[in-house]
Amino acid sequence: EAGVVQSPRYKIIEKKQPVAFWCNPISGHNTLYWYRQNLGQGPELLIRYENEEAVDDSQLPKDRFSAERLKGVDSTLKIQPAELGDSAVYLCASSTRDRDNEQFFGPGTRLTVL
Amino acid sequence: GQNIDQPTEMTATEGAIVQINCTYQTSGFNGLFWYQQHAGEAPTFLSYNVLDGLEEKGRFSSFLSRSKGYSYLLLKELQMKDSASYLCAVKSDYKLSFGAGTTVTVRA
Repeated sequence: EAGVVQSPRYKIIEKKQPVAFWCNPISGHNTLYWYRQNLGQGPELLIRYENEEAVDDSQLPKDRFSAERLKGVDSTLKIQPAELGDSAVYLCASSTRDRDNEQFFGPGTRLTVL
Repeated sequence: GQNIDQPTEMTATEGAIVQINCTYQTSGFNGLFWYQQHAGEAPTFLSYNVLDGLEEKGRFSSFLSRSKGYSYLLLKELQMKDSASYLCAVKSDYKLSFGAGTTVTVRA
């Protein structure tokens, strides 16, 4: 089965510019997660979707971050405007509701803000 | 809040055994996971413990003591490809909280 797909893999932008990341979860996985991983740290949850509903966005900095999963399949995470501190790897993961014990991660998008 | 501690780095020799400890203090507990992450790659699932005791999967084993807030990942017969970061993660409700990871370096 195909894994979680993310694009782009790398993105370099200047501060104050907008940026968007895309994720396509494993087919049939209802639950989708966006994480941010800073260098030398573990992933931190930004938002969790159950189908098209954001059920946990408590850690999402809503002043500049937004996310959507309109049809309950693929998802987009946006930052506008980006700040230097947003440089990190943005990971998408998915799981099924029945087996939400295991989350499958995509390769991530490495964002560098200059 | 969640507090998950694991050593930053460990070094071992090929063929040896290494034990990575993880201690946690969390509000709520629905299981503990170990993930492996090679540099520049996605974390991949290694093991899951929800009850006390040892879970063995090939060369990898994971142990949990809920009363002590403690887990360890045991890597046996180390191979060069085991050089990676190992992440301890605690699940509370549907949320996974990760430790900072332990970088294991396997030397020939």
